[in-house]
Amino acid sequence: KNQVEQSPQSLIILEGKNCTLQCNYTVSPFSNLRWYKQDTGRGPVSLTIMTFSENTKSNGRYTATLDADTKQSSLHITASQLSDSASYICVVSDRGSTLGRLYFGRGTQLTVWP
Amino acid sequence: EADIYQTPRYLVIGTGKKITLECSQTMGHDKMYWYQQDPGMELHLIHYSYGVNSTEKGDLSSESTVSRIRTEHFPLTLESARPSHTSQYLCASSEEKGADTGELFFGEGSRLTVL
Repeated sequence: KNQVEQSPQSLIILEGKNCTLQCNYTVSPFSNLRWYKQDTGRGPVSLTIMTFSENTKSNGRYTATLDADTKQSSLHITASQLSDSASYICVVSDRGSTLGRLYFGRGTQLTVWP
Repeated sequence: EADIYQTPRYLVIGTGKKITLECSQTMGHDKMYWYQQDPGMELHLIHYSYGVNSTEKGDLSSESTVSRIRTEHFPLTLESARPSHTSQYLCASSEEKGADTGELFFGEGSRLTVL
């Protein structure tokens, strides 16, 4: 069964600290993996996309990694800011059909305290 | 910032009422989607469209219906709302045709509460 599991479910850190969010998936065949950020009361916004051949990609203070062999991805946030408080959602796409199905994780709720 | 808009943002209605959630995008995207999101749960696809006059049901069974008469407009309708329909509804669009790598652009959501 194609699934996307994220951990931890929630996380509280102090402003300025780093953190790492995890995403494990069983989706096959694999096409790509995206991390989205969803602020409270808003729609998700894409942070980064990882394809099969990519191991790491950075977007400002966000760095995503992908290990296609172990089917794991991580999102590392450096020097956290209050505005990083949000839900981070991992979304994996397969190549199984022209629809290109998307599989969503439940998200990690990050809270950054001053 | 994505040019995709949803109205209303918040709606509280009584059981049995008919409601329409509006979604419009100005990006010219062919693909549009409706997702349902409950707290702490993953997004579930309830409807999608690949273009004008094309609509399909998604993975999650829903009593709602959709229409796609114009490229930019993808409204969702509930003929008779029930408390079980209480949820957050997210509209999204993407530009690639038939591709599976398209970034989804989401609206800000419509939070529906049925009393």
